[in-house]
Amino acid sequence: SAVISQKPSRDICQRGTSLTIQCQVDSQVTMMFWYRQQPGQSLTLIATANQGSEATYESGFVIDKFPISRPNLTFSTLTVSNMSPEDSSIYLCSVGGLAGGRPHEQFFGPGTRLTVL
Amino acid sequence: EDQVTQSPEALRLQEGESSSLNCSYTVSGLRGLFWYRQDPGKGPEFLFTLYSAGEEKEKERLKATLTKKESFLHITAPKPEDSATYLCAVSNFGNEKLTFGTGTRLTIIP
Repeated sequence: SAVISQKPSRDICQRGTSLTIQCQVDSQVTMMFWYRQQPGQSLTLIATANQGSEATYESGFVIDKFPISRPNLTFSTLTVSNMSPEDSSIYLCSVGGLAGGRPHEQFFGPGTRLTVL
Repeated sequence: EDQVTQSPEALRLQEGESSSLNCSYTVSGLRGLFWYRQDPGKGPEFLFTLYSAGEEKEKERLKATLTKKESFLHITAPKPEDSATYLCAVSNFGNEKLTFGTGTRLTIIP
């Protein structure tokens, strides 16, 4: 498996502001994903971060609200824009396609706990 | 649309009391069924992947099994450190997306 880190680990933000979350992997990976886990609920996929092209968003999530970058095979960012209290969640980065592993197995970072006041 | 249902929502066991967690799924062409463990405030930790009915995987006190409609996570003689939320997810051959269940919150009482 790989070492996956996320920054920040937690933040408290004011409504109307934006926060950018970083995900860094210690080895090159084929796939990177962003999930949201709302309080007491399970994980919901926001989007697939595609290297060198626009992210692929799931139903209910739009690029203007959750812009994503993936400049290379080890790094991605998720921005939560114009935040409201409903955006308070844990945001998780996951990776797939590790060298020597099965391409569809995903491994998760530690998460970013976001609270919007 | 893929669906995953986990039961029970919560389970409290005495240390050493074996039990099973259930994951029922509906998927259009199962690529894999995945079990994860999630501790409070942390990201999910990968446990197992199962690919076809009849397959079994084991890790320490955990054993995962798979049928065409459901998977079981059997925990044998659990210890307090096994307390966590256990998540089940599926993926289909159409894409790399994981569809998660809502999890079973397991508490092992010393």
